[in-house]
Amino acid sequence: GAVVSQHPSWVICKSGTSVKIECRSLDFQATTMFWYRQFPKQSLMLMATSNEGSKATYEQGVEKDKFLINHASLTLSTLTVTSAHPEDSSFYICSVLGTGSNYGYTFGSGTRLTVV
Amino acid sequence: KQEVTQIPAALSVPEGENLVLNCSFTDSAIYNLQWFRQDPGKGLTSLLLIQSSQREQTSGRLNASLDKSSGRSTLYIAASQPGDSATYLCAVRLGTSGSRLTFGEGTQLTVNP
Repeated sequence: GAVVSQHPSWVICKSGTSVKIECRSLDFQATTMFWYRQFPKQSLMLMATSNEGSKATYEQGVEKDKFLINHASLTLSTLTVTSAHPEDSSFYICSVLGTGSNYGYTFGSGTRLTVV
Repeated sequence: KQEVTQIPAALSVPEGENLVLNCSFTDSAIYNLQWFRQDPGKGLTSLLLIQSSQREQTSGRLNASLDKSSGRSTLYIAASQPGDSATYLCAVRLGTSGSRLTFGEGTQLTVNP
């Protein structure tokens, strides 16, 4: 399966600042990456699909101007939470769709964002 | 719209028990189904992937079955251990390349020593 690295694992920021989260596919070229958000005791909610070299596709209700996604290379996608507010505090996880016979999803280790 | 339900929401068992986690989905036209494990504050670890044409997959003490026609999958854990304590998530994928995953709410498992 794929190897996915996500950084940082946790971040605390002040309200109004922006935070960038990186998701790297270490062992293969990923044309598509996915960004999820998870609130405590809840399951994962897909925020957007990140496509290399083109604009991300956002799910309904997700503000594209607040959650900026850049997928400039086949191994890196970034999620920037702009002008963060306390309600943006959450667990953000990226994933990559693998290739080959195991054609499944591999997830990063997640980023705990706390906005104070 | 695909909906995925997992039962039970939480389960507490003594060490050594065999247990079954259930997952059901409303749209049987799935491409595959994947079981994940999530430890508190961590990302997801893939446990088993079952393609739509398969009936089951096994890995160590884990066995996952799939009955696509009835929209059900089960994850069987044999001889449970305290280290198995985690949240187990079932996710289904519709369509082919690039399709999204739809997750269940998860089953929080606690295995007591």
